[in-house]
Amino acid sequence: GESVGLHLPTLSVQEGDNSIINCAYSNSASDYFIWYKQESGKGPQFIIDIRSNMDKRQGQRVTVLLNKTVKHLSLQIAATQPGDSAVYFCASLKGGATNKLIFGTGTLLAVQP
Amino acid sequence: EPEVTQTPSHQVTQMGQEVILRCVPISNHLYFYWYRQILGQKVEFLVSFYNNEISEKSEIFDDQFSVERPDGSNFTLKIRSTKLEDSAMYFCASSENSGNEKLFFGSGTQLSVL
Repeated sequence: GESVGLHLPTLSVQEGDNSIINCAYSNSASDYFIWYKQESGKGPQFIIDIRSNMDKRQGQRVTVLLNKTVKHLSLQIAATQPGDSAVYFCASLKGGATNKLIFGTGTLLAVQP
Repeated sequence: EPEVTQTPSHQVTQMGQEVILRCVPISNHLYFYWYRQILGQKVEFLVSFYNNEISEKSEIFDDQFSVERPDGSNFTLKIRSTKLEDSAMYFCASSENSGNEKLFFGSGTQLSVL
């Protein structure tokens, strides 16, 4: 039968380069954002989070930038390694009564050795 | 590092059959969730559970779905009469104190309905 392939945006980088993965969100009431990494056959793995009262947060080799004006989130990975190859999802949460994460479509990061 | 564990990793069932997907959340976590991911699509919220009751559910979580915390460690998702479109990867997740804290996900159960 006919197969349906994945149509994820793909970012291909060389090992050692910096990677920037982008995400747009639509709900201006969102006040908490998370980046997840998903390797093949595994569940989403937490990378870094940021609250809406911040515009930048740094972790180990990763930085998240939040631009609330244009509702844009980015994940920067420094010195990308082959082990960083995965699908990266942003997710947002609207504070208050809901605790439901809304996931983005995902970006496939392919690191070339 | 503590982790969320799910069993089985793969489940194949016939349409119309009942399935139970099992999860052991992280031991000190109080909030529990089920999400699913149909192949090639986004991860979608199904249900959240706190203090032995459903706190929120999506429109996907109809009366064919139910969740239970039968003891102090397990958290289950039951699909009463599976349909072809229930085929997906089902992820269990838990969080520590508040629904707004970061979620830890299990590795998922791949459900295939034939």
